[in-house]
Amino acid sequence: TQLLEQSPQFLSIQEGENLTVYCNSSSVFSSLQWYRQEPGEGPVLLVTVVTGGEVKKLKRLTFQFGDARKDSSLHITAAQPGDTGLYLCAGYSMEYGNKLVFGAGTILRVKS
Amino acid sequence: EAQVTQNPRYLITVTGKKLTVTCSQNMNHEYMSWYRQDPGLGLRQIYYSMNVEVTDKGDVPEGYKVSRKEKRNFPLILESPSPNQTSLYFCASSFSGAQGTEAFFGQGTRLTVV
Repeated sequence: TQLLEQSPQFLSIQEGENLTVYCNSSSVFSSLQWYRQEPGEGPVLLVTVVTGGEVKKLKRLTFQFGDARKDSSLHITAAQPGDTGLYLCAGYSMEYGNKLVFGAGTILRVKS
Repeated sequence: EAQVTQNPRYLITVTGKKLTVTCSQNMNHEYMSWYRQDPGLGLRQIYYSMNVEVTDKGDVPEGYKVSRKEKRNFPLILESPSPNQTSLYFCASSFSGAQGTEAFFGQGTRLTVV
């Protein structure tokens, strides 16, 4: 069982569409991170959220940390082919030895 | 340029033949770790090290060994590889293991054990 459940597992959309990826857990996290991974590369950090209810924006990407710090979402507005990749949520939880744990990831494909 | 370097990028080996995957970082990070990435399972931590000569098991340590004799290097050793260790491996480093710290990843090593 994944400590962090991501949905959907796979998303294929047209350029210009909006999308949301979810990261959920039954555990409380002291912080959550989102990474993006391209084929043949390692994950690269996009954002870290640490406060319940926090919202961070990175150009067309909006990240939200749930009030109870058990979930997070990533919203992409007007997706572009360059957004294609694997999106991973990861978090630190005292319940899990306060080390970084990862969700299984969401594969996003944006078609032009 | 700040980076984590893994070698080799690709490796095909036979069951039981010892191998080492090297990892080196140039950011003077204290914390280093190894992950394996399998479809549908995400990244699972194999071993981690909080500093030189300090290593500990992650979630899936069976069949792996590590050492941390120098701050910059953290090799992953498979003494007797088996087919179930076929996977994509990533080394990562961070300033510390503290929550919220950014992890920097290498480019990965794709290992196939036949």
